[in-house]
Amino acid sequence: DAKTTQPPSMDCAEGRAANLPCNHSTISGNEYVYWYRQIHSQGPQYIIHGLKNNETNEMASLIITEDRKSSTLILPHATLRDTAVYYCIVRVASSILTGGGNKLTFGTGTQLKVEL
Amino acid sequence: EAGVAQSPRYKIIEKRQSVAFWCNPISGHATLYWYQQILGQGPKLLIQFQNNGVVDDSQLPKDRFSAERLKGVDSTLKIQPAKLEDSAVYLCASSSRQGNGTEAFFGQGTRLTVV
Repeated sequence: DAKTTQPPSMDCAEGRAANLPCNHSTISGNEYVYWYRQIHSQGPQYIIHGLKNNETNEMASLIITEDRKSSTLILPHATLRDTAVYYCIVRVASSILTGGGNKLTFGTGTQLKVEL
Repeated sequence: EAGVAQSPRYKIIEKRQSVAFWCNPISGHATLYWYQQILGQGPKLLIQFQNNGVVDDSQLPKDRFSAERLKGVDSTLKIQPAKLEDSAVYLCASSSRQGNGTEAFFGQGTRLTVV
């Protein structure tokens, strides 16, 4: 799976948009971009994923550049409860036929701190 | 739906002792993962099951770690004997099927301290 690069930490004011960047310059055509977050003392939580197109769900938006070498996770109105470590992961498509694992390879992520 | 259940939440043991962790995945989830998370690092996959078969155990230290999922539902992870460097949070996760677009759901983890 391709390697990702994220800033170690970011701060955001409550109510503002939090924009978390991720560089994945060696991503392959069949690799998806996934975002998870981990709030202190909890297990990681899925946020969103995408391949080429921008994606949005109730938690966040994912913007992937046209060359797919980088992406940005956007939390439109950050709250104190969004304080967490955010992990950007790229993962190859797997299938029952290939016996692929679907495993998630975590880096060290970005510690987002949302403040009043 | 109920989430992934893990027990115990915390465990303190002396080095060279043995320890076991238990995981009950979300009902109907065929895929189960065990991850190890050392303080300050992201989780690292130890082993992955598809039903009761092992899909990936390439990063499992097999000289001391073992895991089983006998009936394709619950799973246990054992360490015997434990070392100081095994101090970590052990996370269990499950997902409903292989293939893309399948998110993994994580439990709260078991925090192991080896002294």
